[in-house]
Amino acid sequence: EPEVTQTPSHQVTQMGQEVILRCVPISNHLYFYWYRQILGQKVEFLVSFYNNEISEKSEIFDDQFSVERPDGSNFTLKIRSTKLEDSAMYFCASSAQGKTYGYTFGSGTRLTVV
Amino acid sequence: QKEVEQNSGPLSVPEGAIASLNCTYSDRGSQSFFWYRQYSGKSPELIMSIYSNGDKEDGRFTAQLNKASQYVSLLIRDSQPSDSATYLCAVNIMASYDKVIFGPGTSLSVIP
Repeated sequence: EPEVTQTPSHQVTQMGQEVILRCVPISNHLYFYWYRQILGQKVEFLVSFYNNEISEKSEIFDDQFSVERPDGSNFTLKIRSTKLEDSAMYFCASSAQGKTYGYTFGSGTRLTVV
Repeated sequence: QKEVEQNSGPLSVPEGAIASLNCTYSDRGSQSFFWYRQYSGKSPELIMSIYSNGDKEDGRFTAQLNKASQYVSLLIRDSQPSDSATYLCAVNIMASYDKVIFGPGTSLSVIP
């Protein structure tokens, strides 16, 4: 069964450093997403991406965050100048038809900012 | 601010019983509704989607939707210990271009 692949599975970084989280969506999907889940809290929407541009972003997704599809397969989330409160599980998801149909999530990257 | 609400639980049911999970949402224009299962430390996994009022059955799972009451539910028949997980209700936001929001989840424990 097709799957969304995320790397790394766990990243530890020092406060103030930049991190890049990587995702390989399902190959025929056109809609891509990043969500995050702080430990014990709900899954929160960060950003949606379609046709090589951001289609929607949440209030969490400020100038500290950026997304990119550098080639035909990868989808990345960059977090600049990380803060302690950025510590969370970050999930990438993809969909064949956007918000109307369900998403396939990757296994996640656990980001720990120390 | 559009919201999705769920009872956090934990909901405990004996093996073989029916588990009933409930969800309410605030966006009256929402058209797509989803149930995801999330095991501890894992990512959400889509188990059901429903788009029109009424019931939709898939194996041991039945999703129920009532748009007038802004209410979605998930029934799990013949519950198994392997069903023990957190169940997330998710709803698309009609006014958004491309956004689905999640409820806080209900923790289900199936007791052997």
